[in-house]
Amino acid sequence: DTGVSQNPRHKITKRGQNVTFRCDPISEHNRLYWYRQTLGQGPEFLTYFQNEAQLEKSRLLSDRFSAERPKGSFSTLEIQRTEQGDSAMYLCASSLGELGSTDTQYFGPGTRLTVL
Amino acid sequence: GNSVTQMEGPVTLSEEAFLTINCTYTATGYPSLFWYVQYPGEGLQLLLKATKADDKGSNKGFEATYRKETTSFHLEKGSVQVSDSAVYFCALSPLSGGATNKLIFGTGTLLAVQP
Repeated sequence: DTGVSQNPRHKITKRGQNVTFRCDPISEHNRLYWYRQTLGQGPEFLTYFQNEAQLEKSRLLSDRFSAERPKGSFSTLEIQRTEQGDSAMYLCASSLGELGSTDTQYFGPGTRLTVL
Repeated sequence: GNSVTQMEGPVTLSEEAFLTINCTYTATGYPSLFWYVQYPGEGLQLLLKATKADDKGSNKGFEATYRKETTSFHLEKGSVQVSDSAVYFCALSPLSGGATNKLIFGTGTLLAVQP
């Protein structure tokens, strides 16, 4: 068990560019979550996958944001036409969700995005 | 709506002091409650959890009791160590029984323990 990994760890981009982040969950975890954390705040939920199905999206996830989990394993989060307000830490978490059980979300180290 | 409010930091304590970090929540139904910790340079880690009223979560000397009557989940430790210095986040899951599809976090409380 190598934990949740995220790549890249840091990304600096210019306003208007597109960026894509990758998350590799703990193997066999069927649930995957994306959160965004800005300085001095707690993480805010963005979206959630059960296997390859995207089951919930936050209102925070504007149409410039898109997330995929094509084979129910790794996930990508793409931000198109980045804005300075997108600068944040993007966190990925995974869990093994079973009906009736308590699933613990395990977080990755995050990708820090800076939009200039 | 669902929300979490926790005391603002930083909280500065001397080693072996008693710690309380307050957390209150607003939720419909019966949420599950969590404390996560973020050590410097590391990712979020689950510290403890409670899935129903009156449950007590505990780990590494930390405790928190799910109080439905006061909608609170205060974090306590009897004797803090320098190694406990970190940011602590209170969180809730809107689903009962601990089954989560998302977590709603408070703003975090920075704890600094001095030797």
